Amino acid sequence: QVQLQESGPGLVKPSQTLSLTCTVSGGSVNSGNYYWSWIRQPGGKGLEWIGRIYSSGSTTYNPSLKSRVTISADTSKNQFSLKVTSVTAADTAVYYCARETTKSIWQQLSNWFDPWGQGTLVTVSS
Amino acid sequence: QSVLTQPPSVSAAPGQKVTLSCSGSSSNIGSNYVSWYQQLPGTAPKLLIYENNKRPSGIPDRFSGSKSGTSATLGITGLQTGDEADYYCETWDNILSAGVFGGGTKLTVL
Repeated sequence: QVQLQESGPGLVKPSQTLSLTCTVSGGSVNSGNYYWSWIRQPGGKGLEWIGRIYSSGSTTYNPSLKSRVTISADTSKNQFSLKVTSVTAADTAVYYCARETTKSIWQQLSNWFDPWGQGTLVTVSS
Repeated sequence: QSVLTQPPSVSAAPGQKVTLSCSGSSSNIGSNYVSWYQQLPGTAPKLLIYENNKRPSGIPDRFSGSKSGTSATLGITGLQTGDEADYYCETWDNILSAGVFGGGTKLTVL
């Protein structure tokens, strides 16, 4: 059974870089069948897809965050990471990591997130 | 503002049936499959439905999904107080080249 666990600082100062790591157990980030994704949720608000990394190292980012986001993987540690630069209060959120399955069916894309990590709250404040 | 539109709240009585809607456009729901998630208070989202209408193992058949055109629907029958949660739809958007979520619907069972 695959499990994911986020870790990283809970408090980041404005203009600095937010860095989080997701540790995968029971599965491998090297698996060619899945993407490894980051999703965030500001307090009391909805979910926002941040981006993902494939086993090959290729990445896809939300256009609204692309200029500030980097997702990378460390296969030796079976982890993948998120960096968000130049953070502001608007980046305060619970950050989740999740495994994303993607399939193409008759030229239509199917994707879903399962499982998810428990989430970690990151507050941007001085 | 979310790319996919969901009603902010829905309520129904225990034992009843409820449908939650998710509206999009030709570049997202109209072109791709939809997944649904349940988020109980204080917990991470949990996959309920994938590929429009498939349930992962362990999800009861009280939960069902459907899609028509640029809209999708989550149905829940035999409502229980434990179903009180936020529900989110998700799909891929071909123009944004990104995953997109609805704003979520808060289900109250009263």
